Amino acid sequence: DVKVTQSSRYLVKRTGEKVFLECVQDMDHENMFWYRQDPGLGLRLIYFSYDVKMKEKGDIPEGYSVSREKKERFSLILESASTNQTSMYLCASSKSGQGRGTDTQYFGPGTRLTVL
Amino acid sequence: AQRVTQPEKLLSVFKGAPVELKCNYSYSGSPELFWYVQYSRQRLQLLLRHISRESIKGFTADLNKGETSFHLKKPFAQEEDSAMYYCALNFNGYQLIWGAGTKLIIKP
Repeated sequence: DVKVTQSSRYLVKRTGEKVFLECVQDMDHENMFWYRQDPGLGLRLIYFSYDVKMKEKGDIPEGYSVSREKKERFSLILESASTNQTSMYLCASSKSGQGRGTDTQYFGPGTRLTVL
Repeated sequence: AQRVTQPEKLLSVFKGAPVELKCNYSYSGSPELFWYVQYSRQRLQLLLRHISRESIKGFTADLNKGETSFHLKKPFAQEEDSAMYYCALNFNGYQLIWGAGTKLIIKP
C-alpha cells in the first residue's frame, strides 16, 4: 500500500520565518507534487518534480522553493513566510506511466500551516 | 486553455435520494478525467477514473465529450458519502488540473 507521509500535521510560524515542509513516499514513485488546498479554490499546484534534482514550477510558485535530493523525499520551502501562505499543504506522488497518461496521485495527510 | 469547472460548491441531499455532482472541462485533446474524494479527517484519494469505467462505492461517472462533462452519479445516497469531491483532468501525462471541489452533505 502506498504511503505518503508529511513531517507535520499542524505548524504555526511567524511572518518572516523560513519554513520547511517535508514529504516522503515509500513506493519508488518518480513524480512528486506540492499543492495548496484552499476553500473554494480547490488544489493549486505549487511545484512538482519528475525525477531527483528535477523540479518544475506549477501555477503558484511565488514565495516557495523545493528540493528533491533523494527520490523518496520532496521538500517545500517557504523562504520568508507571510500570512497569505496560511493554508493546507498537500504532498502527492505518482508513478510515471509509459505514455499512458497520469497514474493515480497518492496524497499525504496534509500540513495545516498558520503564519501569524 | 485547460479548465475544470465544478459549478456547485455545496450540494445537500437526503439519504436515499439520487446524487449528481457536476464536472465540466475544457480541453482540446482527448481527456483523461478523474474523481477524487476527501472524507472528513482523511487524506485525498482517488475515487474513480473514466478509463476504468468502473463503479466505486456505487458511484459512476460517464465521459460525455459532446457536452464536455464528467458528472459523478449515485442512485441512492448514503450518509457515509458526505465528503469533499474533486474532479480533475490530466492534460500532459502526469499533471492534473483540479476543479474547485464540491462539498456533498447527506442529510439523514
